Amino acid sequence: DAKTTQPPSMDCAEGRAANLPCNHSTISGNEYVYWYRQIHSQGPQYIIHGLKNNETNEMASLIITEDRKSSTLILPHATLRDTAVYYCIVKASGTYKYIFGTGTRLKVLA
Amino acid sequence: DAGVIQSPRHEVTEMGQEVTLRCKPISGHDYLFWYRQTMMRGLELLIYFNNNVPIDDSGMPEDRFSAKMPNASFSTLKIQPSEPRDSAVYFCASSWGRGVDNEKLFFGSGTQLSVL
Repeated sequence: DAKTTQPPSMDCAEGRAANLPCNHSTISGNEYVYWYRQIHSQGPQYIIHGLKNNETNEMASLIITEDRKSSTLILPHATLRDTAVYYCIVKASGTYKYIFGTGTRLKVLA
Repeated sequence: DAGVIQSPRHEVTEMGQEVTLRCKPISGHDYLFWYRQTMMRGLELLIYFNNNVPIDDSGMPEDRFSAKMPNASFSTLKIQPSEPRDSAVYFCASSWGRGVDNEKLFFGSGTQLSVL
């Protein structure tokens, strides 16, 4: 599976959009981009995934560049409860070894 | 559904003792995963099962660790004998695993293990 690179930490003002970047320059054609988050002391929580088209759900939006070498997770209106570690993972469909890196620690500020 | 259920939430034991962690996956999920999380190593996949059969145990640190899944609704992770370096949070997760939209993981709340 391709490796991902994320900034170790980011701050965001409450109510503003949080844009979390992820680089995955070695991604293969059959690998999807997944995002999970882990709020302190809880198990990771699935957010969203995509292959090449932009995706949106009730939690977030996922923007994948045309060359698929990077992506951005967007939390449109960050709240204090969005403070968490966000993990970007690439994984091929039909494989089940999710490899969690170190993620981005997002702190939403009041 | 109550989600993935792990027990106990906290376990404190002494070095050399046997420790058993338990997990009940979400009903209907075909895949079950055991992860370990520490500050130093992050979140590591230990082993995963498909339809109660172990598929990949390459992440199991050593022979002191063993995992079983006797039926679709129950799995155990056992450490015997336990050592202080086994102290970590152990997470169980499950997944439907049928098609890309069903491969997302659902995690339990974890077991905080402290080996003194």
